[in-house]
Amino acid sequence: AQSVAQPEDQVNVAEGNPLTVKCTYSVSGNPYLFWYVQYPNRGLQFLLKYITGDNLVKGSYGFEAEFNKSQTSFHLKKPSALVSDSALYFCAVRDLYRQGGKLIFGQGTELSVKP
Amino acid sequence: DTEVTQTPKHLVMGMTNKKSLKCEQHMGHRAMYWYKQKAKKPPELMFVYSYEKLSINESVPSRFSPECPNSSLLNLHLHALQPEDSALYLCASSQGSGGSQETQYFGPGTRLLVL
Repeated sequence: AQSVAQPEDQVNVAEGNPLTVKCTYSVSGNPYLFWYVQYPNRGLQFLLKYITGDNLVKGSYGFEAEFNKSQTSFHLKKPSALVSDSALYFCAVRDLYRQGGKLIFGQGTELSVKP
Repeated sequence: DTEVTQTPKHLVMGMTNKKSLKCEQHMGHRAMYWYKQKAKKPPELMFVYSYEKLSINESVPSRFSPECPNSSLLNLHLHALQPEDSALYLCASSQGSGGSQETQYFGPGTRLLVL
């Protein structure tokens, strides 16, 4: 079965410090991985995706993610956190057994950045 | 432009009411999705339309009825809902037929309360 896990329900970071939001996956075949962010009372915003190629993917708002095949991980990172980065973050993997583009989401990680 | 719009933003309805949610995109995308999201939980896929045809129904109760009148518009008709159907309903779209590499772009959602 394909799955994605976000092991931390909450991550707390001080403004200006680097942040990491963790994601691990389990798929058969090549994974297609996505990160989304959700601000309070808003929809999901696409941050970045890994399809193939360079293991370091750069995305919106200064975020990047590193694909690590041996550790089956796709952690989201940012060198210097902002208070405005506080939000709910979802990692997702494409369900390759289903046509139609179904995404399998992790449970989400709430990021809190304090001044 | 990666904008998906949804109306209304908020909706309160009784269990005997009939209402509809509307989603629109003008990006030329050919796949459109409905998701249901409970607070601080990942979105749950409900329906997928590909080229205006229903391609995925995730065993959603018949009190939810999707409709895709054209390639830009997606509706969700609601009838005889239950209080547990109260949630944020998200619409998304992607470029082609919902292929594995496609990015889904989400609207801001409709917050539904069933009394």
